[in-house]
Amino acid sequence: QQQVKQSPQSLIVQKGGISIINCAYENTAFDYFPWYQQFPGKGPALLIAIRPDVSEKKEGRFTISFNKSAKQFSLHIMDSQPGDSATYFCAASLDTDKLIFGTGTRLQVFP
Amino acid sequence: DAMVIQNPRYQVTQFGKPVTLSCSQTLNHNVMYWYQQKSSQAPKLLFHYYDKDFNNEADTPDNFQSRRPNTSFCFLDIRSPGLGDAAMYLCATSREGWTEAFFGQGTRLTVV
Repeated sequence: QQQVKQSPQSLIVQKGGISIINCAYENTAFDYFPWYQQFPGKGPALLIAIRPDVSEKKEGRFTISFNKSAKQFSLHIMDSQPGDSATYFCAASLDTDKLIFGTGTRLQVFP
Repeated sequence: DAMVIQNPRYQVTQFGKPVTLSCSQTLNHNVMYWYQQKSSQAPKLLFHYYDKDFNNEADTPDNFQSRRPNTSFCFLDIRSPGLGDAAMYLCATSREGWTEAFFGQGTRLTVV
């Protein structure tokens, strides 16, 4: 119930392509779904987040799509750049409960 | 400007020798967390403070302790580090619960 499943484990994309990372959750009480970006040797940094009352949120090249009925959400990175190469973690939480992280996706964008 | 600062960035300790990692924050957030992240894995929550209230995760080993003397500082004490405790330790803060969490750069602990 508390798990967040993330796929794929790794992703290789050509520069300019679209990177798509998917997550699924079980607990319908979750009400906050952030994505974190982590570069090697650094702490995770919040990239974008969504609440379940909207189906999509876009910030620049990054878009979260949220499907409440399917209990799934995904991160789309448009026009992927080599500088986007990092590990991406989805997460889910209740307002007053802990963040549950997905297992992570290592993205590599080649020029 | 660094908002969550962890010291040291790299720590080497001997097997069984107590070690303390520190975290400070300039955000005045009331919640502070300690995560353990092993190579190629997701961060795993060890414990968190909601103000002075300490919340331990059920599966956090007794070997791990924490102190929060004031709002700005939080310490992670590992009483008898084992080889399996080698990891990146991440401190994070947030305001009143689990909206945006701000992470420090982490302390990479090596046990020899």
